[in-house]
Amino acid sequence: EAQVTQNPRYLITVTGKKLTVTCSQNMNHEYMSWYRQDPGLGLRQIYYSMNVEVTDKGDVPEGYKVSRKEKRNFPLILESPSPNQTSLYFCASSLRAGGTRDNEQFFGPGTRLTVL
Amino acid sequence: AQSVAQPEDQVNVAEGNPLTVKCTYSVSGNPYLFWYVQYPNRGLQFLLKYITGDNLVKGSYGFEAEFNKSQTSFHLKKPSALVSDSALYFCAAPSGRRALTFGSGTRLQVQP
Repeated sequence: EAQVTQNPRYLITVTGKKLTVTCSQNMNHEYMSWYRQDPGLGLRQIYYSMNVEVTDKGDVPEGYKVSRKEKRNFPLILESPSPNQTSLYFCASSLRAGGTRDNEQFFGPGTRLTVL
Repeated sequence: AQSVAQPEDQVNVAEGNPLTVKCTYSVSGNPYLFWYVQYPNRGLQFLLKYITGDNLVKGSYGFEAEFNKSQTSFHLKKPSALVSDSALYFCAAPSGRRALTFGSGTRLQVQP
């Protein structure tokens, strides 16, 4: 089954304790992306990756890191989480990026993070 | 820059009535527009997209969307709402290297 998986689905942590949220897709997609969803703000892009070893900042990258060492995986790293990073996080992938007709995105189920 | 706007935070409709969820766009060139739905505790799911051609696009779950170039709108519609349609709906447009930019979302509540 074609899918995007994320782990963990729920996480409660404390300020400053490094954490990683994993994301994996099995569709051989070139493009992967991380979003955060906050009430009234819709989805805001954190980082994206056009392909292996190619990553770039989205709209709200501060406090986050990513890596893309393999095509299928795109982990999101919070080196020192803070309470304002409490949010719902989604990983997504698509065949390609850019303003093309084929960039329908496939989303993971989400990770609800609470930073105390 | 490409952008989309959803002017309504919430839409309430009675079951069986037609529903409309609004979206306006600001894009250069030929617009490609998308609708996604998010059910509780789930990720976003693709509903439909407009590329070119017919202004009425049909998608999943009986939804359709009407593209109106003169009004720069891409409203989501369904002739007869179901309680199970209650969800959060997002309009989106391609945005250069970043793939998609999303509207702020509209919560649809269908009352029995």
